[in-house]
Amino acid sequence: SQQGEEDPQALSIQEGENATMNCSYKTSINNLQWYRQNSGRGLVHLILIRSNEREKHSGRLRVTLDTSKKSSSLLITASRAADTASYFCATDSGGGSYIPTFGRGTSLIVHP
Amino acid sequence: DTAVSQTPKYLVTQMGNDKSIKCEQNLGHDTMYWYKQDSKKFLKIMFSYNNKELIINETVPNRFSPKSPDKAHLNLHINSLELGDSAVYFCASSSGRTDTQYFGPGTRLTVL
Repeated sequence: SQQGEEDPQALSIQEGENATMNCSYKTSINNLQWYRQNSGRGLVHLILIRSNEREKHSGRLRVTLDTSKKSSSLLITASRAADTASYFCATDSGGGSYIPTFGRGTSLIVHP
Repeated sequence: DTAVSQTPKYLVTQMGNDKSIKCEQNLGHDTMYWYKQDSKKFLKIMFSYNNKELIINETVPNRFSPKSPDKAHLNLHINSLELGDSAVYFCASSSGRTDTQYFGPGTRLTVL
């Protein structure tokens, strides 16, 4: 199975609410990245967090990384309808392999 | 101004045909990738090139052959197309192997 697994697979919320997505992975990593994909489009990078970092912020986005649990979370605060998209976490294979591996994504729907 | 471009955007073809998808990036990046995204949105890396040298080849059938004429281009040629090849193919690039990836808009391939 793939390295990264997002949870939940789908999330439906109202505008203004917070959205939390989780990502679990299996092997050690150098960094973990979160991407967004709007329907019919390519992926857009959101945040990169390195293995020695625990938390990063970017605007309304907050990413945490727990290497002991091999998990990461993406929090979108005060969600907007425009946040409706699929969100993917991507990890490398750790060490010198650097093989990027994506999960299946969390499909987020934000209702206006 | 397009950072990573792919052509064509849509490709509909018959089983057994040979087709190519082109990718170009104007970001000056050293590393380029090809991904396949299936109908369940699972995004899997196929190939990666660094400075025109193949560095990742993830158990992809021999019918798929990447070609990198220069650092800014990575084309994907597919021989003897099969029904299972139907998917969206994404090209991406990054400045280094562990850095943020910039994705193209995707090529939706339909094999009939």
